[in-house]
Amino acid sequence: EAAVTQSPRSKVAVTGGKVTLSCHQTNNHDYMYWYRQDTGHGLRLIHYSYVADSTEKGDIPDGYKASRPSQENFSLILELASLSQTAVYFCASSLGTGRGAETLYFGSGTRLTVL
Amino acid sequence: GQQVKQSSPSLTVQEGGISILNCDYENDMFDYFAWYKKYPDNSPTLLISVRSNVDKREDGRLTVFLNKSGKHFSLHITASQPEDTAVYLCAAGENQGGSAKLIFGEGTKLTVSS
Repeated sequence: EAAVTQSPRSKVAVTGGKVTLSCHQTNNHDYMYWYRQDTGHGLRLIHYSYVADSTEKGDIPDGYKASRPSQENFSLILELASLSQTAVYFCASSLGTGRGAETLYFGSGTRLTVL
Repeated sequence: GQQVKQSSPSLTVQEGGISILNCDYENDMFDYFAWYKKYPDNSPTLLISVRSNVDKREDGRLTVFLNKSGKHFSLHITASQPEDTAVYLCAAGENQGGSAKLIFGEGTKLTVSS
């Protein structure tokens, strides 16, 4: 079954530490995205990618880096984690072209707590 | 500012009634509009979507109404059921060569009471 899987499901990090969130999709989709969810803000786009080895900034990229080493894998990197980055992070993929191109398929989310 | 806004953080409807969820947007260039449903501790899933060339789309108990001049779209759920209880996220975006760079609203928590 096609799916988007995220790891870890939850993580506690210390301020100033490095955090890497991983995402793997078996949808054969070109586009992958990282969103964060905060109470009162809905989902906000951090980074996205439409092809391997290339990433684009979303609406709130500051403090985050992204890496797309292959079509299936997309990572979100917090080089110096801060308290304000405590949130739930969702990875998603989309087809990109054709019917249903814009439909996002989300992973289960990663709950990150920065202390 | 918030480009896509859901003004009601919560809504309670009696079982069997009509749930009406609203969403306002700012960008005239948006041409794709969607509603996602999210259960607690689960990922959002697409419910229904429309493009800007239609004003209405029905799918079973769900209907999306799009008012382009008013920059507003809504989701109507008829015969609401307790299992409809969830957070509903509206989203809008502009077709940019296939990218689904959707902007999401803050969400409306719908509670259907029996």
